[in-house]
Amino acid sequence: AQTVTQSQPEMSVQEAETVTLSCTYDTSESNYYLFWYKQPPSRQMILVIRQEAYKQQNATENRFSVNFQKAAKSFSLKISDSQLGDTAMYFCAFLTFTGNQFYFGTGTSLTVIP
Amino acid sequence: DGGITQSPKYLFRKEGQNVTLSCEQNLNHDAMYWYRQDPGQGLRLIYYSQIVNDFQKGDIAEGYSVSREKKESFPLTVTSAQKNPTAFYLCATNVGRGEKLFFGSGTQLSVL
Repeated sequence: AQTVTQSQPEMSVQEAETVTLSCTYDTSESNYYLFWYKQPPSRQMILVIRQEAYKQQNATENRFSVNFQKAAKSFSLKISDSQLGDTAMYFCAFLTFTGNQFYFGTGTSLTVIP
Repeated sequence: DGGITQSPKYLFRKEGQNVTLSCEQNLNHDAMYWYRQDPGQGLRLIYYSQIVNDFQKGDIAEGYSVSREKKESFPLTVTSAQKNPTAFYLCATNVGRGEKLFFGSGTQLSVL
């Protein structure tokens, strides 16, 4: 079975600063996909970034980047130049290569302080 | 206006009552999912369907039922057997293996 762990229930960061959210996962699969989703107060789930495990290069999307450490089974999200609109719950998710079932972590609530 | 439509936004259930949550999509995606979100527990999979007339149980299917008679629609029924139905319910779709999930705006279900 796959498990996803987010060990930081709550975090805060000053506006314009950088913050890193951690995520670890457990799997016996060698190929899979990893995702970070954002859920703002509107509760609409929004994809932040996607990583393919067979690609060694870390994914980036504007101010969002990941540090993917396959051997350590770690997938952290770095948010640079934090903005007030980044205030949200962030979920890490895992998807097996052959399956179609996503596994989600319990989330990290991020607050950006003006 | 493409996307996933969930209705209603808020729903109240009386004791012993079955209620149905609607999920409609016009993205032409094959796979559809139902998740339950409780505070501090992330998203947990209830049911998913990869093709019409076929669906599989997720991790917490007890007390729920689904149907997939049309590609566009995947309604979720919360039966009276679900003793703790209060939660936020999210419907999602994806276009194929390995691709991201698209989410609806959710239904908040509460017990009267």
